[in-house]
Amino acid sequence: AQSVTQLDSQVPVFEEAPVELRCNYSSSVSVYLFWYVQYPNQGLQLLLKYLSGSTLVKGINGFEAEFNKSQTSFHLRKPSVHISDTAEYFCAVSDLEAGGTSYGKLTFGQGTILTVHP
Amino acid sequence: GAGVSQSPSNKVTEKGKDVELRCDPISGHTALYWYRQRLGQGLEFLIYFQGNSAPDKSGLPSDRFSAERTGESVSTLTIQRTQQEDSAVYLCASSFMAGYTEAFFGQGTRLTVV
Repeated sequence: AQSVTQLDSQVPVFEEAPVELRCNYSSSVSVYLFWYVQYPNQGLQLLLKYLSGSTLVKGINGFEAEFNKSQTSFHLRKPSVHISDTAEYFCAVSDLEAGGTSYGKLTFGQGTILTVHP
Repeated sequence: GAGVSQSPSNKVTEKGKDVELRCDPISGHTALYWYRQRLGQGLEFLIYFQGNSAPDKSGLPSDRFSAERTGESVSTLTIQRTQQEDSAVYLCASSFMAGYTEAFFGQGTRLTVV
């Protein structure tokens, strides 16, 4: 079984400041990792994903995330946020345990609401 | 259409009634997921279909909930004898190859049980 913990439910920040949204996961097998964003009154869309290779992945809108296997973390960062980044952000893992019915299943964290103030 | 389509977009039902929610995934996507999002909460996994494999039903909260998928196309989530705690947005997503590729989400069905 796998789980995802987003350590902050809400993160307020001023415009142009840097931000980090924290995500830790627990899994007994390898996982793939994702960050999704949900803008107000919209559906979820993919920000970025880590499948393999470089542990630093870049996504849309200037976001990036770093996979740290030893710390089982996948924190999301942006060096300078904009008002338009105000949204809810979800970290997710996919199950890679072969042979089970849950192979490929996506498990999400509870979400972090990022609010950017002028 | 090009995206995941869910219907209805909104549903108000009386407590005790049955409801049926529909999801049309993107053509060719083998994986289909259902999640529930209660107000102010995260995405709660309900059920996952992958191709012709047995679905992962481990997230269904009670035996009042069931889901079916016909081949690699339409899925229906049924809630019997609805309760007020079933009120939530029900989200469907599909992906071309489960876990490896991006999951595309529909706009959701907002269910209100009165």
